[in-house]
Amino acid sequence: DGGITQSPKYLFRKEGQNVTLSCEQNLNHDAMYWYRQDPGQGLRLIYYSQIVNDFQKGDIAEGYSVSREKKESFPLTVTSAQKNPTAFYLCASTPRLGAEAFFGQGTRLTVV
Amino acid sequence: AQSVTQLDSQVPVFEEAPVELRCNYSSSVSVYLFWYVQYPNQGLQLLLKYLSGSTLVKGINGFEAEFNKSQTSFHLRKPSVHISDTAEYFCAVRGNFGNEKLTFGTGTRLTIIP
Repeated sequence: DGGITQSPKYLFRKEGQNVTLSCEQNLNHDAMYWYRQDPGQGLRLIYYSQIVNDFQKGDIAEGYSVSREKKESFPLTVTSAQKNPTAFYLCASTPRLGAEAFFGQGTRLTVV
Repeated sequence: AQSVTQLDSQVPVFEEAPVELRCNYSSSVSVYLFWYVQYPNQGLQLLLKYLSGSTLVKGINGFEAEFNKSQTSFHLRKPSVHISDTAEYFCAVRGNFGNEKLTFGTGTRLTIIP
């Protein structure tokens, strides 16, 4: 079945450590996105990529990094510079024209 | 750039009553509009979308929305809600050319009261 796979579903990190969240899609979509979700704040865009080897900062990129070496993959690294990383992270993808975004099931990151 | 406003952060509704969740947007270009639903600890699922054509759009689970260009609104409605409709609902907008990014509202938590 086509879709977006995020892993792991739950992730715990110690303060000061970097951690990478995985996002893979087999929908042949061009664009991919990372959102952060906090209670009462909706979805905020961290980074997005419209084509391979290119990506742009979203509204809250500080403390995060991404790569887009393959069309199917868009991993997100939460660095130690991110001051408040505990949140629910959602990955999404869209085709080139029109149509909606498809979402993964999310990764809940907790800093302990 | 686009923005989306969902004025109601929480909406309680009695079971079998009608509901309207409000969404207003701003954009300097023509847009596509979407409503998504999110159940606890899950990703977002598309309810319905407006791309072009008829301004009244029907989606899954008995929901519908009407695109009103003059009022820049895309309100979501359901004539009779069920307990299973309890969830968070997000309105989203995207420019309708190229590969524009998707912008979301802050969400409305719909709670159905038995």
